[in-house]
Amino acid sequence: SQTIHQWPATLVQPVGSPLSLECTVEGTSNPNLYWYRQAAGRGLQLLFYSVGIGQISSEVPQNLSASRPQDRQFILSSKKLLLSDSGFYLCAWSVEFEGSPLHFGNGTRLTVT
Amino acid sequence: DAKTTQPTSMDCAEGRAANLPCNHSTISGNEYVYWYRQIHSQGPQYIIHGLKNNETNEMASLIITEDRKSSTLILPHATLRDTAVYYCIVGEYGNKLVFGAGTILRVKS
Repeated sequence: SQTIHQWPATLVQPVGSPLSLECTVEGTSNPNLYWYRQAAGRGLQLLFYSVGIGQISSEVPQNLSASRPQDRQFILSSKKLLLSDSGFYLCAWSVEFEGSPLHFGNGTRLTVT
Repeated sequence: DAKTTQPTSMDCAEGRAANLPCNHSTISGNEYVYWYRQIHSQGPQYIIHGLKNNETNEMASLIITEDRKSSTLILPHATLRDTAVYYCIVGEYGNKLVFGAGTILRVKS
């Protein structure tokens, strides 16, 4: 069966520090991968998605970037964190055909101080 | 923007069926109806999805009206652990799925 791993679960970082969040998927090949952010009390906002190695689409302009160095690895990064980057970051995967649901990881709660 | 309308919150007695409604009057022919739930501080959990026909799995049943403009998620015997935010989403797949505010379901003993 397929599993998705995200780490770390929680992170507290000072403003201006770099960020690297990692997500890996097991049990499937060539998945579509996604990064979402959820601000406190808000809905999920799609940040990036990837349909293959090195292929990244950005949904919103922001202080973050994403990379996909391997088929089942998705990384969210920032060179300098802002206070507004605080939130709950979720990685998800799916396969690319109609009717394919998203499957989410357990998320990383980031607090920028 | 989300293409669905859901009540902000609902209460349900433990052991009773929870019926969560969703309106999606602008759904197009190739868009599915997906349901997820999110328990506090966890990632959204996939529950069920369907295109035209009613669907049932070990977690819930999904009833879609014949005109596909609305649907209902049914949790047959709600427990306290079913307290969560429930999201109804319409879309084809993947990045086309837009999450709205959802319905806060409170199951009470």
